[in-house]
Amino acid sequence: NAGVTQTPKFQVLKTGQSMTLQCAQDMNHNSMYWYRQDPGMGLRLIYYSASEGTTDKGEVPNGYNVSRLNKREFSLRLESAAPSQTSVYFCASRQDPETQYFGPGTRLLVL
Amino acid sequence: RKEVEQDPGPFNVPEGATVAFNCTYSNSASQSFFWYRQDCRKEPKLLMSVYSSGNEDGRFTAQLNRASQYISLLIRDSKLSDSATYLCVVSRGGSYIPTFGRGTSLIVHP
Repeated sequence: NAGVTQTPKFQVLKTGQSMTLQCAQDMNHNSMYWYRQDPGMGLRLIYYSASEGTTDKGEVPNGYNVSRLNKREFSLRLESAAPSQTSVYFCASRQDPETQYFGPGTRLLVL
Repeated sequence: RKEVEQDPGPFNVPEGATVAFNCTYSNSASQSFFWYRQDCRKEPKLLMSVYSSGNEDGRFTAQLNRASQYISLLIRDSKLSDSATYLCVVSRGGSYIPTFGRGTSLIVHP
């Protein structure tokens, strides 16, 4: 099994550009998550989806939107990228109350 | 007070040493506890779950103290490959959102 996959692995954007980060899981998990990780800040939850068809804001949702396309896929969209969104983005999935499984991350640089 | 707190370290220890990390949590309704390991520039990966009775996996021992609201991780006979950041994760029953600590950095040197 691939587990949790993310695309792209790396991306450079200019301020104001938009992009979508893709995430897919093949473990039939109900819950999916998007985090960002910055030096010294730990993992911060952007959005999560408890089940197909639902999404909720996390700790730092401003500047982002999400779509739970189906049970497998959960995408994160930056409509107008800002330098403050330079970060490493991790997608995760979970079958409550078990552990989360993380994707390999997307490294985003916004110039 | 943060919901989950960890000493960021770094803990700098020689090979073969025993090292222990603690993690405190503030929500007494927490029911699930985990230790994750994160290597530099990699994703977090589950190291072990923490059960009420404590559990051991090779050189790693995890314990839970509900009365004092902390969990611990003990690493015996440290290896160079144990160098990583160790994340404490706490989850409330019925909550979809696990809470992560900021992590404790461990550096094992020759």
